[in-house]
Amino acid sequence: DVKVTQSSRYLVKRTGEKVFLECVQDMDHENMFWYRQDPGLGLRLIYFSYDVKMKEKGDIPEGYSVSREKKERFSLILESASTNQTSMYLCASHPGLNQPQHFGDGTRLSIL
Amino acid sequence: AQKITQTQPGMFVQEKEAVTLDCTYDTSDPSYGLFWYKQPSSGEMIFLIYQGSYDQQNATEGRYSLNFQKARKSANLVISASQLGDSAMYFCAMREVNTNAGKSTFGDGTTLTVKP
Repeated sequence: DVKVTQSSRYLVKRTGEKVFLECVQDMDHENMFWYRQDPGLGLRLIYFSYDVKMKEKGDIPEGYSVSREKKERFSLILESASTNQTSMYLCASHPGLNQPQHFGDGTRLSIL
Repeated sequence: AQKITQTQPGMFVQEKEAVTLDCTYDTSDPSYGLFWYKQPSSGEMIFLIYQGSYDQQNATEGRYSLNFQKARKSANLVISASQLGDSAMYFCAMREVNTNAGKSTFGDGTTLTVKP
């Protein structure tokens, strides 16, 4: 079974901090994604990557960056956390175009 | 314009009855895939069912079936014989093969509550 692991289920950080959210998948998937989920807004794509060291902006990349140094790991970075980045963050991966995404359990991030 | 529209923010269904969750989509790409996911209150996203744009038959997976009407750009999820454990948020998603580099677009979701 595909496993997508996010480093934390719950995280509390302070405004202005640099925050790292880690995601690891164990099935050699090329494609990895970071979403944020807010009530009434569905899932919005922040960044995605289709290969090591490759990244592309999604719909809401402002205030975020990503890193993919190894195929299995895709990190989301909040450069200087702000309260409007309080949200649920979901990582996902998939191996190909007609295959479903596999999601991690999510990280509920609170910025105080 | 929204690419995926789920018009029902919330739905109620009696246990053991069938329920249809609506999803309409908008694309000019002739090759695309449609996915449904379930998100229980615990937060994890669970893949339910997939329909490809060239598939001739409606997809089925156990109690889940997809009512795919290509001309109307609709991909409704039908859950038969609802169970209490079906109470969750349901998301419809689309992935366009030629125009969107493997990204998926999600609808805003429908919260389904199954009543005993």
